[in-house]
Amino acid sequence: AQSVTQLGSHVSVSEGALVLLRCNYSSSVPPYLFWYVQYPNQGLQLLLKYTTGATLVKGINGFEAEFKKSETSFHLTKPSAHMSDAAEYFCAVRETGANNLFFGTGTRLTVIP
Amino acid sequence: GAVVSQHPSWVICKSGTSVKIECRSLDFQATTMFWYRQFPKQSLMLMATSNEGSKATYEQGVEKDKFLINHASLTLSTLTVTSAHPEDSSFYICSARAIHQMSGETQYFGPGTRLLVL
Repeated sequence: AQSVTQLGSHVSVSEGALVLLRCNYSSSVPPYLFWYVQYPNQGLQLLLKYTTGATLVKGINGFEAEFKKSETSFHLTKPSAHMSDAAEYFCAVRETGANNLFFGTGTRLTVIP
Repeated sequence: GAVVSQHPSWVICKSGTSVKIECRSLDFQATTMFWYRQFPKQSLMLMATSNEGSKATYEQGVEKDKFLINHASLTLSTLTVTSAHPEDSSFYICSARAIHQMSGETQYFGPGTRLLVL
């Protein structure tokens, strides 16, 4: 069965510090991988996605994620946190040929001034 | 980027009434749309997959007679919560699947509809 694990429901970083949000998945074959961001009382906005090709994916707002097949991971990083990055982040996977996304439980990022 | 809208953004209704939520893909056609439900501080749970011109596919545990889905056109899907009760209060989010020639499939999400049933 498909599952997505996001380690750490809450992550706090100082403004300007590195952001690292972890995501691991379980799948028999490498799925498509996504990171979404959700601001309070809003829907989800796509940050980046991996389908095929280069394993390091760059997204919006300076975020990037690296697909590591050997570790079944797709961790999200940003070199320098900004106050506006404070939000809920969701990792999601979609198996090849499937329609829907499976979401992780989310990680709330707090940025400390 | 592709835009998905939802209407209304929030609604308060009395117990026993029905509420309709619209989901529109504004600048692309979507043969497939999805309806999710999100409880406070929790992840999104897929309720159903809506296919244009056919019946929706519901996830296990979701009552199809309670949550009526209609996908009458390539840009519009509606979710009707029938005979709403306080336990139906939640944040409902739709998404629409876009197929890009270069980058493949992507789901774009609406801004969500917050439903409060009194």
